[in-house]
Amino acid sequence: AQSVTQLDSQVPVFEEAPVELRCNYSSSVSVYLFWYVQYPNQGLQLLLKYLSGSTLVKGINGFEAEFNKSQTSFHLRKPSVHISDTAEYFCAVTRNTGGFKTIFGAGTRLFVKA
Amino acid sequence: GAVVSQHPSRVICKSGTSVKIECRSLDFQATTMFWYRQFPKQSLMLMATSNEGSKATYEQGVEKDKFLINHASLTLSTLTVTSAHPEDSSFYICSARDRISGHLNTEAFFGQGTRLTVV
Repeated sequence: AQSVTQLDSQVPVFEEAPVELRCNYSSSVSVYLFWYVQYPNQGLQLLLKYLSGSTLVKGINGFEAEFNKSQTSFHLRKPSVHISDTAEYFCAVTRNTGGFKTIFGAGTRLFVKA
Repeated sequence: GAVVSQHPSRVICKSGTSVKIECRSLDFQATTMFWYRQFPKQSLMLMATSNEGSKATYEQGVEKDKFLINHASLTLSTLTVTSAHPEDSSFYICSARDRISGHLNTEAFFGQGTRLTVV
């Protein structure tokens, strides 16, 4: 079975400051890793994903994440946030074997202050 | 990217009635669709995996007679909440995987969600 832990439930940050949202996972099989963003009363939008290869993954809206296999982490970063980045962010893992079920972390509320 | 359309986006129903939520893949075929439930300020909890032409696989603790899932075609899966009660009020989200790429396609595309309120 796999699990995902997002270490911070809320992250307040000032506009134009850097931010890191932390994610750790555990799994007995190989997984793919994802970060999604959710705005109020909306579905999920994919920010970025790690499948294989380079451990530094760049996504949309200036976000990037680094896969660290030894620490089983996949932290999301952005060097300078905007007010519009205020949203809920979910880290997710998908088994890369039959079924491809996706398990989500509890979410991190990013609140960008002016 | 691929588009998944979920309908309705909001629904209010009376306690005891049934509500059907549709999930359609608009520009791809989806052998597998997933249904999630999200309570306020919480994460998405996988309810069931819907496979075209076969019975859905439900997660532990999810009542299959309460949440009926039908996946009759490669582009449509439906979730019916039967005899709805106020505690069924939640945000329901579906996702779908493109059949063509098979196991090589690792991304699931999400619908916009349905806000169900049972009064």
